[in-house]
Amino acid sequence: EAGVTQFPSHSVIEKGQTVTLRCDPISGHDNLYWYRRVMGKEIKFLLHFVKESKQDESGMPNNRFLAERTGGTYSTLKVQPAELEDSGVYFCASSPSRSTDTQYFGPGTRLTVL
Amino acid sequence: GQSLEQPSEVTAVEGAIVQINCTYQTSGFYGLSWYQQHDGGAPTFLSYNALDGLEETGRFSSFLSRSDSYGYLLLQELQMKDSASYFCAVSGGNYGQNFVFGPGTRLSVLP
Repeated sequence: EAGVTQFPSHSVIEKGQTVTLRCDPISGHDNLYWYRRVMGKEIKFLLHFVKESKQDESGMPNNRFLAERTGGTYSTLKVQPAELEDSGVYFCASSPSRSTDTQYFGPGTRLTVL
Repeated sequence: GQSLEQPSEVTAVEGAIVQINCTYQTSGFYGLSWYQQHDGGAPTFLSYNALDGLEETGRFSSFLSRSDSYGYLLLQELQMKDSASYFCAVSGGNYGQNFVFGPGTRLSVLP
């Protein structure tokens, strides 16, 4: 069974540019989560999809972040325009039907905003 | 809201036993999970406690006391490869949909 995949693994952009991160969850997992870990700090929840619906987006830092999950499959997280404080590692995780199940994490996308 | 506390760092030697504590405050509680993260890697699941008591999985055990809002991860027969960050995470909210990580504990295993 393939795990959660994320693309790209690394992204270096300049302040003001746009970046789109992609996450492909484990096939059949309805729940998809985005997290961010800023250097040396804890992992912060961003948002939670159940299929194509946003269940909880209370962790999204501001309106420069837009997440979508078309058709309830893969998800994208767009940052536009990027700011320096957006740098960090963005993790995606998925879990089966019950949202309290174990979450399986992807390898993360390391975003550096210069 | 939800908040979790963990020690920031723990150091131990190979073969030793170490306990990483986690205390939490949450509105609604469904379970406590533990994740391991090596530098540059993704968090990987270690254990999950929904009920009070001890869960054992090989060298790792996890304990939960819901009345005390407290849990711990116990690592036995430490190996160098156990050096990593360990996060506790609480599933809370109305139906367990809120998943909040603790700040993480960096474990260093010395030879």
